[in-house]
Amino acid sequence: AQRVTQPEKLLSVFKGAPVELKCNYSYSGSPELFWYVQYSRQRLQLLLRHISRESIKGFTADLNKGETSFHLKKPFAQEEDSAMYYCALNHRGSTLGRLYFGRGTQLTVWP
Amino acid sequence: EPEVTQTPSHQVTQMGQEVILRCVPISNHLYFYWYRQILGQKVEFLVSFYNNEISEKSEIFDDQFSVERPDGSNFTLKIRSTKLEDSAMYFCASSRRGQGAGELFFGEGSRLTVL
Repeated sequence: AQRVTQPEKLLSVFKGAPVELKCNYSYSGSPELFWYVQYSRQRLQLLLRHISRESIKGFTADLNKGETSFHLKKPFAQEEDSAMYYCALNHRGSTLGRLYFGRGTQLTVWP
Repeated sequence: EPEVTQTPSHQVTQMGQEVILRCVPISNHLYFYWYRQILGQKVEFLVSFYNNEISEKSEIFDDQFSVERPDGSNFTLKIRSTKLEDSAMYFCASSRRGQGAGELFFGEGSRLTVL
């Protein structure tokens, strides 16, 4: 069964500090992993996906199949990064939209 | 920038009543979805819809749920006889492509409260 675990419900850092939001998954096949973000009073939106290997808003995430992890990292957090972050998994062979979400991590960046 | 729109933003209903949640997906998108999030819990997949039929549904999507695309723009979720446990935020989403594209565009959600 597919499962996405985000162990931290809340995470607080100061502006300029590095931040890492953890995501672990369980899936026996080849997963597609995503990070979605929801800023205050805004809709859920895609932040990045592992297949793109891109950096968005200074965030990166590397798929580590050995550790079954897809942690989201940013070297210098900004106040505008405060939001709810969701890790999500889609398994190949499924219709695109069946994403399995983690419970989310609320990131607060203090000034 | 085009957005997925959902109505109503909040609906309160009595247990046993029928509820219809409406969504207008982005116009050139072909794949449509409903997700829900019970307060404090994960965002959960309900159903996906393509080419005027359900392409996949979860175990949550039982006989009391149905989806419809009644015209070229709307996509609706109907709950036939609401239960207390149906209280949740319901998200509609759409995407341009199927397999491999990866990006869903979500609406702001419809909060359903069942009393």
